[in-house]
Amino acid sequence: EAEVAQSPRYKITEKSQAVAFWCDPISGHATLYWYRQILGQGPELLVQFQDESVVDDSQLPKDRFSAERLKGVDSTLKIQPAELGDSAMYLCASSPRTEPYEQYFGPGTRLTVT
Amino acid sequence: KQEVTQIPAALSVPEGENLVLNCSFTDSAIYNLQWFRQDPGKGLTSLLLIQSSQREQTSGRLNASLDKSSGRSTLYIAASQPGDSATYLCAVLTDSWGKLQFGAGTQVVVTP
Repeated sequence: EAEVAQSPRYKITEKSQAVAFWCDPISGHATLYWYRQILGQGPELLVQFQDESVVDDSQLPKDRFSAERLKGVDSTLKIQPAELGDSAMYLCASSPRTEPYEQYFGPGTRLTVT
Repeated sequence: KQEVTQIPAALSVPEGENLVLNCSFTDSAIYNLQWFRQDPGKGLTSLLLIQSSQREQTSGRLNASLDKSSGRSTLYIAASQPGDSATYLCAVLTDSWGKLQFGAGTQVVVTP
């Protein structure tokens, strides 16, 4: 069964350092999402891509976060510089163009900023 | 703005008891609703998806109902097992290609 792949699974970094996460969606899925989940809360959307275009980045802290999906397939989310408050689970999801537009999630990247 | 609430935040039941998890949302204009399971430190596993035109969905011991007019969904897990211990999250999709709006989840512990 096809799955969303993410790497790394765990990342520990010092504040002010740069960090990057990678996501490979299910083949053929046009829509890709990056969510952030703080411990004890539900995930919240950071950025949404439709093919290679950003359709929603209203909650992305653009002074330090960037995201790209250059060929409309895999995607990278970057944080520079990392802050203590960025410690969270970063989840990638993808969905197809067809109903019911179900979102499938990857295993996530657990980021700890020290 | 859509808000999703899950009550209770935590639940502990003995093995064999049926689980009832509640989810409420403020805007009834939803496209679909998904229930997810999350084990500690892991990603989300989709359990059931209910489209707005449906009243319920079933998969094995799981049954989810949807009442759009009252803004509620309920997930039933029959004959709970210790392996059902996890956090259960509900999420609503307001438009077909939009983001999911999540509740904070209900943490379930099933004791042997």
